[in-house]
Amino acid sequence: GAGVSQSPSNKVTEKGKDVELRCDPISGHTALYWYRQSLGQGLEFLIYFQGNSAPDKSGLPSDRFSAERTGGSVSTLTIQRTQQEDSAVYLCASSFNLGTGNEKLFFGSGTQLSVL
Amino acid sequence: SQQGEEDPQALSIQEGENATMNCSYKTSINNLQWYRQNSGRGLVHLILIRSNEREKHSGRLRVTLDTSKKSSSLLITASRAADTASYFCATVSSGGSYIPTFGRGTSLIVHP
Repeated sequence: GAGVSQSPSNKVTEKGKDVELRCDPISGHTALYWYRQSLGQGLEFLIYFQGNSAPDKSGLPSDRFSAERTGGSVSTLTIQRTQQEDSAVYLCASSFNLGTGNEKLFFGSGTQLSVL
Repeated sequence: SQQGEEDPQALSIQEGENATMNCSYKTSINNLQWYRQNSGRGLVHLILIRSNEREKHSGRLRVTLDTSKKSSSLLITASRAADTASYFCATVSSGGSYIPTFGRGTSLIVHP
């Protein structure tokens, strides 16, 4: 596709349920990032992938959060046993590469997660 | 944790006026980027300024970087109602993982 695609755009779930958020990056982008944005707040870094590898998982808020990327393309962020504090917009971004440090990020429109 | 912090948190101006937003950060950077966000969803990249650069322009946008003060500013000249959005600075630390770290943003409202 032309841009970063995220699905679903909105997700309402009950506390305790598991959710899966999907990100389809721009074709050819090797780096993929997940951020979380709570209402009126800045972006909180969660995890990044270089290819299929996630060298640093320290940004994930708890062990209920996990992410994977397959084929160097699509990534899924899974939240198990959701809690109300997980409610936020989950943003995915991709870039050509990570190594130069001079890459700009292309963002998807995000998934608005609401945990009731 | 957030590296960059924008100031002010909110800015309200009339169309045609200039808008200035500032970003301060704590550690040495490789580059600093400014992004725009409409309606709380996806961000759009505006400008990237490297640590050895002092000023960059793009259309009505002007970004300055003062590494001695660890600060940057984004100036939007002749603002338009369509410039209404949140603006975020993101820093990429030198010698680190090259992951952009975002501040809390400045909410800009431009009244027609």
